[in-house]
Amino acid sequence: AQSVTQLGSHVSVSEGALVLLRCNYSSSVPPYLFWYVQYPNQGLQLLLKYTSAATLVKGINGFEAEFKKSETSFHLTKPSAHMSDAAEYFCAVSVWGNTPLVFGKGTRLSVIA
Amino acid sequence: DSGVTQTPKHLITATGQRVTLRCSPRSGDLSVYWYQQSLDQGLQFLIQYYNGEERAKGNILERFSAQQFPDLHSELNLSSLELGDSALYFCASSVLGMNTGELFFGEGSRLTVL
Repeated sequence: AQSVTQLGSHVSVSEGALVLLRCNYSSSVPPYLFWYVQYPNQGLQLLLKYTSAATLVKGINGFEAEFKKSETSFHLTKPSAHMSDAAEYFCAVSVWGNTPLVFGKGTRLSVIA
Repeated sequence: DSGVTQTPKHLITATGQRVTLRCSPRSGDLSVYWYQQSLDQGLQFLIQYYNGEERAKGNILERFSAQQFPDLHSELNLSSLELGDSALYFCASSVLGMNTGELFFGEGSRLTVL
């Protein structure tokens, strides 16, 4: 069965600083990987996804993630944090077919002015 | 706005009671997924329906049940409630029955069991 591990339940960065949220996956077959974002009092929304095409994936709001098979990682980055990026971020994995999306426990991003 | 509607947004009830959570998927989406979010367990997949039929089952307790109706809305029934059932319950929808990961989430129903 597939799983993801998000390193760090809480990350705090200064406005304008690099954002790096870490995600490692485990899957016996080629995975599909996703990052979702949850703003306060809202549902989750898709930030970006990797589905075996380009290993560097660009998403909304300036975020991107790189699939590294050798490291089984799919870390999320953004060059310059903005106050509006403060939210909870979830890494998720699935495989094509009827398997459900499996989420990590989430990383809360705080942005300090 | 994801287009997925969940009601009620908040619900407070007592142990032993039964509640029903309702979800209307995005227009055109045939799949509905239910997830439970709690502080200790994170986001746990409960169950998926596709066009009225159960498609996948996760960590759903026997006290919980769900169904998807002909108009594609879904209901999650939680019975014999316990304190530990207090959580945020999300519904999500997608077009396909196969899981491509592109789920559209509602804002959730927050259940508090006292």
